[in-house]
Amino acid sequence: AQKITQTQPGMFVQEKEAVTLDCTYDTSDPSYGLFWYKQPSSGEMIFLIYQGSYDQQNATEGRYSLNFQKARKSANLVISASQLGDSAMYFCAMREDTGGFKTIFGAGTRLFVKA
Amino acid sequence: DTAVSQTPKYLVTQMGNDKSIKCEQNLGHDTMYWYKQDSKKFLKIMFSYNNKELIINETVPNRFSPKSPDKAHLNLHINSLELGDSAVYFCASSLNDFTDTQYFGPGTRLTVL
Repeated sequence: AQKITQTQPGMFVQEKEAVTLDCTYDTSDPSYGLFWYKQPSSGEMIFLIYQGSYDQQNATEGRYSLNFQKARKSANLVISASQLGDSAMYFCAMREDTGGFKTIFGAGTRLFVKA
Repeated sequence: DTAVSQTPKYLVTQMGNDKSIKCEQNLGHDTMYWYKQDSKKFLKIMFSYNNKELIINETVPNRFSPKSPDKAHLNLHINSLELGDSAVYFCASSLNDFTDTQYFGPGTRLTVL
């Protein structure tokens, strides 16, 4: 069964607007971490933001915020004021406390920012 | 300073050859990983080492053999390369807790002809 689901293969957003990239996850472990990574066309994987399962507040890092809805098992990434440089693949990932050192990645969402 | 480095960045080779990819991290992390990213961008873990010990070995053909000479290095050797091995291989490292972020190397694009 898919543990991380990203239902949007591709998304378009106008420059300077906000965009939400969806991520749902499946786990029975009460302790887990959720991560978002960006992969631009140059290929490197860039860590963006982290949310722990016990964190009371949604994580924020600059223009990135994570809309964490634990009961719905969703961890959507919100990018505010989109820039052309935000065009990239975005991956949601999860590590479970009982999962050893394994990180499970979603299939990714390709974001296109239009000028 | 490069945190996680991999060499080579590109590798083009013939079917049946043996090749190695090297990875080094200077972050002081205890755990290192190899991932394979296929042509559809799907990222899947292959191996993980913690303090030089193998802790994750996914269902990877035994033509793939990782080796960790020390905590800062994790190399990947591939024997008898096949067309289906063509992919981007990423090395990553992290500290030990499930909350710790993994940091990735730049990737090695392997093309098997």
